[in-house]
Amino acid sequence: QLQLQESGPGLVKPSETLSLTCIVSGGSISSNSYYWGWIRQPPGKGLEWIGNIYYSGSTYYNPSFKSRVTISVDTSKNQFSLKLSSVTAADTAVYYCARRLILDNRFDPWGQGTLVTVSS
Amino acid sequence: QPVLTQSPSSSASPGESARLTCTLPSDINVGSYSIYWYQQKPGSPPRYLLYYYSDSDKGQGSGVPSRFSGSKDASANTGILLISGLQSEDEADYYCMIWPSIAVGVFGGGTKLTVL
Repeated sequence: QLQLQESGPGLVKPSETLSLTCIVSGGSISSNSYYWGWIRQPPGKGLEWIGNIYYSGSTYYNPSFKSRVTISVDTSKNQFSLKLSSVTAADTAVYYCARRLILDNRFDPWGQGTLVTVSS
Repeated sequence: QPVLTQSPSSSASPGESARLTCTLPSDINVGSYSIYWYQQKPGSPPRYLLYYYSDSDKGQGSGVPSRFSGSKDASANTGILLISGLQSEDEADYYCMIWPSIAVGVFGGGTKLTVL
């Protein structure tokens, strides 16, 4: 059964870069059937799609983040990563990674999520 | 990016049906898109429920009961999640989503469903 687990610092200072990794287990990230995505949820608010990556490295980003976000993949480690630069308090959120099926574009499954707080 | 409009809250009694809506902006035709629905309970990640494009093109998530179903109201440019035979465990936040293009995904603001 495929599982995803987010990891990374829970506290980031304003203006710095948020860095998270999603470790994929129980299946290969190098499949032509999936994208791998990041979604976030500020406390008490709704979901926001950040971007997706294919195992080859091709990416799609939410235009709202495009100038600050980088998603990368490491197939040797079966993981993918998120970097969000120049963070502010507005970037405080639970960050989820998820698998997106190319067949029908659903996000399934999701990681448990990790809370990142931006504060000095 | 388009904005998907969901009512902030909805409520219904056990055994009744709940109809949650996801309205697309007028410049996006609901008939052209699959509508995805996710359920989120407090402290848990979202769970994929289903997608609906048409009666002949739809999909149910693994283990999702058949009392969860999707549809569209073209006249209102709206996607609909219908939950029949409401149970207390259905109390959750529900999010719709579309992919206006392969490159861009958009979530609705979510609806908090209370089972009275």
